[in-house]
Amino acid sequence: TQLLEQSPQFLSIQEGENLTVYCNSSSVFSSLQWYRQEPGEGPVLLVTVVTGGEVKKLKRLTFQFGDARKDSSLHITAAQPGDTGLYLCAGVSRGNNDMRFGAGTRLTVKP
Amino acid sequence: DSGVTQTPKHLITATGQRVTLRCSPRSGDLSVYWYQQSLDQGLQFLIQYYNGEERAKGNILERFSAQQFPDLHSELNLSSLELGDSALYFCASSTTGTRGADTQYFGPGTRLTVL
Repeated sequence: TQLLEQSPQFLSIQEGENLTVYCNSSSVFSSLQWYRQEPGEGPVLLVTVVTGGEVKKLKRLTFQFGDARKDSSLHITAAQPGDTGLYLCAGVSRGNNDMRFGAGTRLTVKP
Repeated sequence: DSGVTQTPKHLITATGQRVTLRCSPRSGDLSVYWYQQSLDQGLQFLIQYYNGEERAKGNILERFSAQQFPDLHSELNLSSLELGDSALYFCASSTTGTRGADTQYFGPGTRLTVL
């Protein structure tokens, strides 16, 4: 059982569409990170959210941390083929700083 | 390019064998982390070293061991290999020893195939 559940597991859309992927848990985190991993490469950190309710924007990507700090979402506007990849969330637990990854959402954006 | 290097990129071996994966962290980073990524388990944290000392342990099997050397490079040793050990193994590095407190930079990974 994953500590962090990511949905959907797979997502295939056309260029220009909008999408939202989710990262949910029953645990409270001190912070949550989002990564993108492209084929043949390691994950790359996109953003870290720390405060409940926090919203961060990175160009066409909008990240939100839930008020209770148990969940997060990633919204992509006008998706492009370059957004294709595996999106991973990782929650950092209070106290021991244990960091756990979700299984990821595999996004394919077709031209 | 994250600045983290891993060798080899691919490794094919047989069950029962022993292999060593190598990682060089970014210049100036003192922490090294090892992760295993498989299709059914996702990215699993194995172990962390900070400045030569073990700092945290995750889901690392007893057949696996790691160390960090004085020059800060790290090696992950996998022994008595089983088919289920086939996976991508990633190394990451960061400046401090506190997970989640700073950015982890991941290497390109080593793909291990056990036949």
